[in-house]
Amino acid sequence: AQSVTQPDIHITVSEGASLELRCNYSYGATPYLFWYVQSPGQGLQLLLKYFSGDTLVQGIKGFEAEFKRSQSSFNLRKPSVHWSDAAEYFCAVGGTGGGNKLTFGTGTQLKVEL
Amino acid sequence: DAGVTQSPTHLIKTRGQHVTLRCSPISGHKSVSWYQQVLGQGPQFIFQYYEKEERGRGNFPDRFSARQFPNYSSELNVNALLLGDSALYLCASSLLGSNNEQFFGPGTRLTVL
Repeated sequence: AQSVTQPDIHITVSEGASLELRCNYSYGATPYLFWYVQSPGQGLQLLLKYFSGDTLVQGIKGFEAEFKRSQSSFNLRKPSVHWSDAAEYFCAVGGTGGGNKLTFGTGTQLKVEL
Repeated sequence: DAGVTQSPTHLIKTRGQHVTLRCSPISGHKSVSWYQQVLGQGPQFIFQYYEKEERGRGNFPDRFSARQFPNYSSELNVNALLLGDSALYLCASSLLGSNNEQFFGPGTRLTVL
């Protein structure tokens, strides 16, 4: 069964500082990996996705993530955080065997200090 | 272009009642998936429909059911509501039925009293 672990429930960073959110997945084959962001009371917005190819993927809003098969990780990074980045971030894994089911982690709440 | 739309935005029901939530996918998208997001948790997969056929079902009781219409819109039905059904219900649409990027709607906030 596929699963996702986001070890950090809350993270606080200062505006302008760099950010890394951790994500570890469990899946038997090559997974499809996603990062979504959710603002309070809102739906999910896709930041970036990895299907295949280059293991460093670029997303919207200056975010990037790196797929590391050996570590079963897909960490999200941003070199300089803006106050508007404060939100909850979800990592998700999708299967390659058909269907669109996504399995999400429990999320990381990001707080940005001015 | 309009994104995924869901109705209603908020809903309050009492235990034992029935509820119907509605979702309209992005134009041209043929797959709709439903997720339940309990406060403080990540979304949990409930159902996927593609071309009006059920393509996947998560670990939810039979009180939960769904269907997809010829115009690809979808309904999620929950019978005999429990307090634990209180959650944000998210609908996601995608172009195809498998291995596809999904676009999420704003959700329906269901409160069961």
